[in-house]
Amino acid sequence: SAVISQKPSRDICQRGTSLTIQCQVDSQVTMMFWYRQQPGQSLTLIATANQGSEATYESGFVIDKFPISRPNLTFSTLTVSNMSPEDSSIYLCSVRISGGAGGEQFFGPGTRLTVL
Amino acid sequence: GIQVEQSPPDLILQEGANSTLRCNFSDSVNNLQWFHQNPWGQLINLFYIPSGTKQNGRLSATTVATERYSLLYISSSQTTDSGVYFCAVKPSEKLVFGKGTKLTVNP
Repeated sequence: SAVISQKPSRDICQRGTSLTIQCQVDSQVTMMFWYRQQPGQSLTLIATANQGSEATYESGFVIDKFPISRPNLTFSTLTVSNMSPEDSSIYLCSVRISGGAGGEQFFGPGTRLTVL
Repeated sequence: GIQVEQSPPDLILQEGANSTLRCNFSDSVNNLQWFHQNPWGQLINLFYIPSGTKQNGRLSATTVATERYSLLYISSSQTTDSGVYFCAVKPSEKLVFGKGTKLTVNP
C-alpha cells in the first residue's frame, strides 16, 4: 500500500484567488493522479501527473485552470486558479501501486475547498 | 466510454442486518476496486478484485468479469459501516468510478 498526505486538509477561499494543494507519498510511484469530487457526486479524474513532463488532462479540464507540477516520484501539486464557487469540492491525490495492466490505486485524505 | 452502474443508490439498514451492493460495468476491465468513503470524506480501500472472491472480516466481494459485474457483501452491519461505497473499474489506464451506494446503518 501507500501512505499519502495532502496539505491543506481544508480551506475557505475568496473567488478570484488561487490555491495550491500538495500531495506527498511515502514511496516512489510512477502513476499519480488528481481527482475532484463535487458535493454529493462521485469522483472525476482531473489529470495524470507525469514526472518530468506536462500533466495529461481529461476532457473538460485545462492546464490554465488546474496547473500541476510533479518534480519527483513522491510529490505533486495541484493549483486551482481564479477560483469561483463552482470549484468548491474535495480534491484528492491518488497513486497506483505496481505496474502492468492492473495495479491497485490508493487515495489521499483529500482537500476540502470552499470558495465564497 | 465505459459505464459503471451501482445499485441500489441508497440503502438504510438496522444494525446487524446483511446487505449486498452491486456494480455492473459495460466493458471488459483490467482492474476493479471497492472503496468506502466515510463521513469525513476519506476513501478507504476495501478490495482490489478484478476477478474471483475475497473476504475480509465481515466484508466479502465477488467479481464475475465474464458477466461484467461485482458484488460487495456486508454482514452483521455496524453503524461504522455508514458512508458511501464506490465501485471503480479500469478498462485501460484510468480508473472510472460509479456513482456510489449511500449506506446508512441505524442503531
